[in-house]
Formats: sequence, C-alpha cells, structure tokens
Amino acid sequence: GNSVTQMEGPVTLSEEAFLTINCTYTATGYLSLFWYVQYPGEGLQLLLKATKADDKGSNKGFEATYRKETTSFHLEKGSVQVSDSAVYFCALTGGYQKVTFGTGTKLQVIP
Amino acid sequence: EAGVAQSPRYKIIEKRQSVAFWCNPISGHATLYWYQQILGQGPKLLIQFQNNGVVDDSQLPKDRFSAERLKGVDSTLKIQPAKLEDSAVYLCASSLGGQVFKRETQYFGPGTRLLVL
Repeated sequence: GNSVTQMEGPVTLSEEAFLTINCTYTATGYLSLFWYVQYPGEGLQLLLKATKADDKGSNKGFEATYRKETTSFHLEKGSVQVSDSAVYFCALTGGYQKVTFGTGTKLQVIP
Repeated sequence: EAGVAQSPRYKIIEKRQSVAFWCNPISGHATLYWYQQILGQGPKLLIQFQNNGVVDDSQLPKDRFSAERLKGVDSTLKIQPAKLEDSAVYLCASSLGGQVFKRETQYFGPGTRLLVL
C-alpha cells in the first residue's frame, strides 16, 4: 500500500529562519500530494497541494514541489514566524480518493 | 461557505460506555470520511461514504464502531462499548466526490476529542 514518511520532530527554529520539512512517499499511479497544518486544539487545514509531477504548491509563504524522480514533496518556507508553530502533515491520495498521511512534524518557532 | 461541522468538541466517558459523534459536511459534498487521530500520529481512515453508501470501512473496528449516513448528508459515528485505547481525536472530512477516481481535496472539521477513562 501507499506510505508517507516525514522527518521526525519536533523542529525548533528561531523566528525568520529557513524551514524545510522533508517528506518522501511510496506510491504509484496518478497522485495528488498535500501538506496539511494542524494548530493546537484544531482540525487539519489544507496548506497547499500539487496534482501532477513538477507542480509547485504554494500558500502563505510555504512551498512544496512534487518531485516524481525523488518521490518527494518537501515543505519549505523562507522566513518562519511564531504563528507558524503547528504540526505539519504530508499526505497523498491516488485512485479511490483514499488519503495516506504521514505521522506529522511538530514545528516550534521561538521569538 | 460554511465548513465541516462536528459536535461535540470534547467528550469524556468511562470505559464500556457508549458515545456518538456527529458530522455535517460542506453543502454539496458527496463524500464523507471519518478519521481517528491518536496523539502523536497521523489520521487513520475509519470509514468513507459516497452519498449514503460505504466505499471503504476496512479499518473500522466493526465489533464496537458503527457509522451511518442515512440521507447522504450528515453522519454519526458511534462507539459501543468504548475502550481506553479509543481515546483520540475523531475527525470528519468531506470532498466533492464527483468522480470515483478523482484526486480531490478533503476539507476537515475541527474534530471531537474523546477521552476514555
């Protein structure tokens, strides 16, 4: 079956630092890749997505590129803020709309 | 546009008791999902509905969990009887569900936090 592997957390960064959260996957076929964010006490919110190879998803300064050759969808942001502190989930879906999530990476940004 | 609604937001029960969660998806969304998210883990799909029919319930512990979506709109997830290991956040999500093989975005509700003592 499909699987998603994320880098272990927690990740602690100072404000304005560069962020990378690695995500790799094992899956075949036509995929869509997603990054969801979960703020404390809340449900998951879609952050960005990419629906075909070499697509770049972007939102709120976050970016991720669907790299089929390396089966990766790493999340990046050039300058993080304290308000970005949350848990980030990488996910994918193929046929039948079934979504497979990674285990999440907790990001803590300190002032 | 209203998002996915869930209630209650929090629930504390003792083991062996019963509990029910409610979800109202985004208007017009044909596909509805229930996920279980245990602390420190990613969400795990319990059941997926397409309108009022079940598409996937392969990971639903059917001896104690049940779910229904009788009119193809809102849905109820029930646990009877609850066990300590059922403590988790139960997330409901919905998507348009226009085509079976379409790779659609799912929109999540705020979740119901269940604590079983």
